[in-house]
Amino acid sequence: AQSVSQHNHHVILSEAASLELGCNYSYGGTVNLFWYVQYPGQHLQLLLKYFSGDPLVKGIKGFEAEFIKSKFSFNLRKPSVQWSDTAEYFCASRDTGGFKTIFGAGTRLFVKA
Amino acid sequence: EAGVAQSPRYKIIEKRQSVAFWCNPISGHATLYWYQQILGQGPKLLIQFQNNGVVDDSQLPKDRFSAERLKGVDSTLKIQPAKLEDSAVYLCASSSGQMDTQYFGPGTRLTVL
Repeated sequence: AQSVSQHNHHVILSEAASLELGCNYSYGGTVNLFWYVQYPGQHLQLLLKYFSGDPLVKGIKGFEAEFIKSKFSFNLRKPSVQWSDTAEYFCASRDTGGFKTIFGAGTRLFVKA
Repeated sequence: EAGVAQSPRYKIIEKRQSVAFWCNPISGHATLYWYQQILGQGPKLLIQFQNNGVVDDSQLPKDRFSAERLKGVDSTLKIQPAKLEDSAVYLCASSSGQMDTQYFGPGTRLTVL
């Protein structure tokens, strides 16, 4: 069965620190991969997505993620975080055959000003 | 462009009572999703509609949960009777098609006492 695991449930960083959030998926077939973000009091929204092509994907607000097929990973990165990046981040996968999206448990990021 | 609308935003009921949630997707979106998000977990897909047909309801507890999208536009999700473990945020999302970006509503927070 398809699953998504996120390595850290809570991360605390100071402003300007670099960020990397881990995500591993389990599915042997072709998948689409996503990172969603939920800022405090706001809706869940798409940060970036990978369907095919260049494995390094750039999203909004300076975020990027790298798809490494051999490691079944899709880690999220940002070189320098800001206080406004405080949010919960969800990794998700969708198998291209069944269309069902599976979410990880989420990582809560707190950025200290 | 108006986003996905959900109501009510909050609901408190006692166990064994029934409850219904409503979702109005973005205009023109053919695909509608209902997710359950329990505290500390990622969203879990309950049911996915393509127009007024069900694409996937494999994780919907059909003995107590039901959902409909009769005219292929708005949708209702019902729980009858509710259990304590149904306490969660119920998210509605919509997309143009099954492979397109999902847009989420604000969710309905259900507390079952």
